[in-house]
Amino acid sequence: DAKTTQPPSMDCAEGRAANLPCNHSTISGNEYVYWYRQIHSQGPQYIIHGLKNNETNEMASLIITEDRKSSTLILPHATLRDTAVYYCIVRVAGSARQLTFGSGTQLTVLP
Amino acid sequence: NAGVMQNPRHLVRRRGQEARLRCSPMKGHSHVYWYRQLPEEGLKFMVYLQKENIIDESGMPKERFSAEFPKEGPSILRIQQVVRGDSAAYFCASSPGAGSEEQYFGPGTRLTVT
Repeated sequence: DAKTTQPPSMDCAEGRAANLPCNHSTISGNEYVYWYRQIHSQGPQYIIHGLKNNETNEMASLIITEDRKSSTLILPHATLRDTAVYYCIVRVAGSARQLTFGSGTQLTVLP
Repeated sequence: NAGVMQNPRHLVRRRGQEARLRCSPMKGHSHVYWYRQLPEEGLKFMVYLQKENIIDESGMPKERFSAEFPKEGPSILRIQQVVRGDSAAYFCASSPGAGSEEQYFGPGTRLTVT
């Protein structure tokens, strides 16, 4: 699976959009970009995933650059409950393999 | 549809005892994964199982650790002769099967070895 690079921490004001970047310059054509988050002491939570098109669900939007070497997770209206570690993971599509978690980005939503 | 269930949520064992951690996957899910999170560290994959089969145990320590996912009942992660370094949060995840993209995690079991 391709390696990802994320900033270690970010702050965001409550109610504003949180934009979390991820670099995955070695991603290959059959690898998806996944985002999970872990709120303190809880199990990780799936957020969204995509291949090359932008994706949106009730939690977030995922913007993948045209060359697929980077992506941005967008939480449109961050709340205090969105404070968590966010993990960007790249893995082969259609496989049931394990997830490889890096160190992620600690997002702190400030009141 | 109930989520992934793990029990116990907290487990205290003395050094040398055995720890058994249970994981009930989501209904209809036949794939189970175990991950470990040491204090102040990231999640690390341990083992991937399907019903009655271990598919990948590349993340399991070679000794004292074992896992199973029987035809009936929950998946069990067993740690024999626990040591202080086994103190961690152990998370289980499940997915419907090959080709499914998401894994759904349980709340974890916090193991403390005294």
